[in-house]
Amino acid sequence: QKEVEQNSGPLSVPEGAIASLNCTYSDRGSQSFFWYRQYSGKSPELIMFIYSNGDKEDGRFTAQLNKASQYVSLLIRDSQPSDSATYLCAVTGDSSYKLIFGSGTRLLVRP
Amino acid sequence: NAGVTQTPKFQVLKTGQSMTLQCAQDMNHNSMYWYRQDPGMGLRLIYYSASEGTTDKGEVPNGYNVSRLNKREFSLRLESAAPSQTSVYFCASSPFSGFSTDTQYFGPGTRLTVL
Repeated sequence: QKEVEQNSGPLSVPEGAIASLNCTYSDRGSQSFFWYRQYSGKSPELIMFIYSNGDKEDGRFTAQLNKASQYVSLLIRDSQPSDSATYLCAVTGDSSYKLIFGSGTRLLVRP
Repeated sequence: NAGVTQTPKFQVLKTGQSMTLQCAQDMNHNSMYWYRQDPGMGLRLIYYSASEGTTDKGEVPNGYNVSRLNKREFSLRLESAAPSQTSVYFCASSPFSGFSTDTQYFGPGTRLTVL
């Protein structure tokens, strides 16, 4: 059973701090990795994806991938209260169009 | 563009009743998906359709059936609802252009309660 593991949280950070969200996955064959944000009662929305080892930056968000360690992370710089949400990590499964989701990490940004 | 739409938004059923959840997308995507989300469990794939005319089971297909009516529409049917099917159901679509970075776009969800 392919798995994606995330700490459920909540991860609480003060406004303006860096929030670091982590995800590990079991399938070494996974090729692409996605971070979705989900506000309470809403549907998931894509923040960014990464498929090469290293860092990928998009505004205040940075995704980091280490395939050797089977580890992907999301850094949120200058965290805002509006970033308070559940962050879902997803990885491609046994085909490129199927995703396996982690259970999500709840982030709370304190004003 | 409405993106991915789902109907109904809320539904309450009694055990044993049947219903169909409707999903449509206007992005000309090839692939469509049905997920359920339970507290603390993340999103679990029920069924998917890689392209028009094909459907396949996902991680938790038991108790469900699907129909890919055309390229736009993908419905999920519960033939005999059970309390264990109480959940939030999300439909999603993706281009399936052959690239592993294809993004899935989600509908607003259907909150289903089975009494």
